[in-house]
Amino acid sequence: EAGVTQSPTHLIKTRGQQATLRCSPISGHTSVYWYQQALGLGLQFLLWYDEGEERNRGNFPPRFSGRQFPNYSSELNVNALELEDSALYLCASSRRWGSSGANVLTFGAGSRLTVL
Amino acid sequence: KNEVEQSPQNLTAQEGEFITINCSYSVGISALHWLQQHPGGGIVSLFMLSSGKKKHGRLIATINIQEKHSSLHITASHPRDSAVYICAVNFGNEKLTFGTGTRLTIIP
Repeated sequence: EAGVTQSPTHLIKTRGQQATLRCSPISGHTSVYWYQQALGLGLQFLLWYDEGEERNRGNFPPRFSGRQFPNYSSELNVNALELEDSALYLCASSRRWGSSGANVLTFGAGSRLTVL
Repeated sequence: KNEVEQSPQNLTAQEGEFITINCSYSVGISALHWLQQHPGGGIVSLFMLSSGKKKHGRLIATINIQEKHSSLHITASHPRDSAVYICAVNFGNEKLTFGTGTRLTIIP
């Protein structure tokens, strides 16, 4: 069974540009979570999608947005990139919230975004 | 305020030693996760606990709900166990709150 896949592995952008990161969850998982891990900092919750809907978001500005597609894959978009957006962006998936096993997360390998 | 604290921040030990990493949280939780992050960033979910104790190979995780405390133990530690270990908590909602992580280095 394929795990959670993220693309691209690495992405280099300049200030003011937009970045799009993608995540494909494990088959059967409908919830997708996005996390940011900036250098020297811990993981911070960004966004949660479940069955196509945004369910919750962390304390990030509106420049950070995303969506979930009918096949439950997800995109994270970061507009007007700033230097401090340089980080590892991790995606995790789980079964539908409220179902058995919903607390079991599977993480992707991450996408490293560098903003110059 | 929902907080998660881990200790120690850094831990260096000799191969074969018994390792303990601690996690404390501020209020009641619905679940606690132990995660392992290797250099390069990949994260593996080791355990999800809501009570008691779980064991997988050389790894043991315990949680004391009354004391709001969890421990991750590694028996017969090995250099390949070197990684950052992260405690993450569900405070009754779907968002995970993460500890700052414990960087473990096992010396051969």
